[in-house]
Amino acid sequence: DAGVTQSPTHLIKTRGQQVTLRCSPKSGHDTVSWYQQALGQGPQFIFQYYEEEERQRGNFPDRFSGHQFPNYSSELNVNALLLGDSALYLCASSLFIGGSGNTIYFGEGSWLTVV
Amino acid sequence: AQSVTQLDSQVPVFEEAPVELRCNYSSSVSVYLFWYVQYPNQGLQLLLKYLSGSTLVKSINGFEAEFNKSQTSFHLRKPSVHISDTAEYFCAVRENSNSGYALNFGKGTSLLVTP
Repeated sequence: DAGVTQSPTHLIKTRGQQVTLRCSPKSGHDTVSWYQQALGQGPQFIFQYYEEEERQRGNFPDRFSGHQFPNYSSELNVNALLLGDSALYLCASSLFIGGSGNTIYFGEGSWLTVV
Repeated sequence: AQSVTQLDSQVPVFEEAPVELRCNYSSSVSVYLFWYVQYPNQGLQLLLKYLSGSTLVKSINGFEAEFNKSQTSFHLRKPSVHISDTAEYFCAVRENSNSGYALNFGKGTSLLVTP
């Protein structure tokens, strides 16, 4: 049973560029969330997708956008990259029904470096 | 809104010694509580969670945590640590609801186990 998979694992971008990160949820899961983890910090919630709609959003600017596809996979897009966007981006999946007691599973993350 | 405070950023301990990683939270609503572990260059793995019932919860690898509602704490303990327990540990809370909401993480505690 494959867990949460993310791609790419590492990438380097230049300020002002745009980046797309991809995520496939754990088998059977229908909800995908994205988190940003800066070096030495805890993960910060970006947004959550369920039924192809953004259901909840954290305190991140509109430069951060996402999408969920019918097969539940998801993309995170970041436009106009800033140096401060350098971080580990974690994708997490879970089952929506059953409530917030359901376990959230995380992928290995995508390391983004902005130069 | 909820917040999580992990009181120690780093905890050095000798192998086979006991350890306690402290976590306090604040919330205006009922929450679920989680501990996640992050090994170097990896994603997050769920260690244990408290949803309801017995306030003492245990993991399969010897960790335990006790929910204390009056002190709004969820400290993590292990009676005897191993070198392999060296990792970053994150306490997190999630609103108790029928839908899946975001995890709010603390800044993490780095556990360093030495011989």
